[in-house]
Amino acid sequence: DADVTQTPRNRITKTGKRIMLECSQTKGHDRMYWYRQDPGLGLRLIYYSFDVKDINKGEISDGYSVSRQAQAKFSLSLESAIPNQTALYFCATSDTTGTGLYRQYFGPGTRLTVT
Amino acid sequence: GENVEQHPSTLSVQEGDSAVIKCTYSDSASNYFPWYKQELGKRPQLIIDIRSNVGEKKDQRIAVTLNKTAKHFSLHITETQPEDSAVYFCAAMHSSASKIIFGSGTRLSIRP
Repeated sequence: DADVTQTPRNRITKTGKRIMLECSQTKGHDRMYWYRQDPGLGLRLIYYSFDVKDINKGEISDGYSVSRQAQAKFSLSLESAIPNQTALYFCATSDTTGTGLYRQYFGPGTRLTVT
Repeated sequence: GENVEQHPSTLSVQEGDSAVIKCTYSDSASNYFPWYKQELGKRPQLIIDIRSNVGEKKDQRIAVTLNKTAKHFSLHITETQPEDSAVYFCAAMHSSASKIIFGSGTRLSIRP
C-alpha cells in the first residue's frame, strides 16, 4: 500500500545510539500506530496516536518514544538502542468508517538491527 | 486487558483442501475482529473483518465465523491455492480501547 511509507527500510545501528524511524501517510487518516514484529510473537503495539495532540502508550512502550509532527507523519525513536530491540517495525494507519470497522493499513516495514 | 490466542501456529494442507485457523479472545467487550495475511517479506494486509453483531462473513473463498458466547472466531479458506501460503494473524479490538491486539500468527503452507 504505497499510501503508507516508512524510512529507512533497513537500518543497522550500534548499542547506545539514538535512532528515529519515520512514517508518512497520504490516506488522510487520523489514527497512526507503531508496531514491532518478532518471530513467533506476532505484532505488538508500541505507541498509537489518534490525532496530533493525542499520544498513547501501547503494550511495549519502554525504551521508545514517538512524535506526531502532523496528521500525516508519525515518528518512532529509540533513545538508546539495545540489541533486543532488533526487530521488524511497522507503522499503520486506521480509518474510522463510522461503521465501527477500524481497518488498519500497514507500511512496508523497517528492519532494524542493533549490534 | 485483551488477550488473543491463535491456533495452530503452523498448518500444512493439500492444495484444494480447506484450512481453518482458530482464535480466542478474553475481553467480552471486544467488538471488531480482523484477519491479516502476511506474505514473506511483505506487510500485513487485511483480508476480511467482522463486527460482533454479525455471526459470519464470506468473501469468495474466505469466510470468518464468530461465536460471541464462546469468545472465539475462525478463518476458513476453501479450495486452497499455492498463493494462500503465508502467515495469517487474527486480531481483536475493543472499541473503547481503540487498539488492536494481534494473535501470534499461523504459518499456512499449501502442498502441491
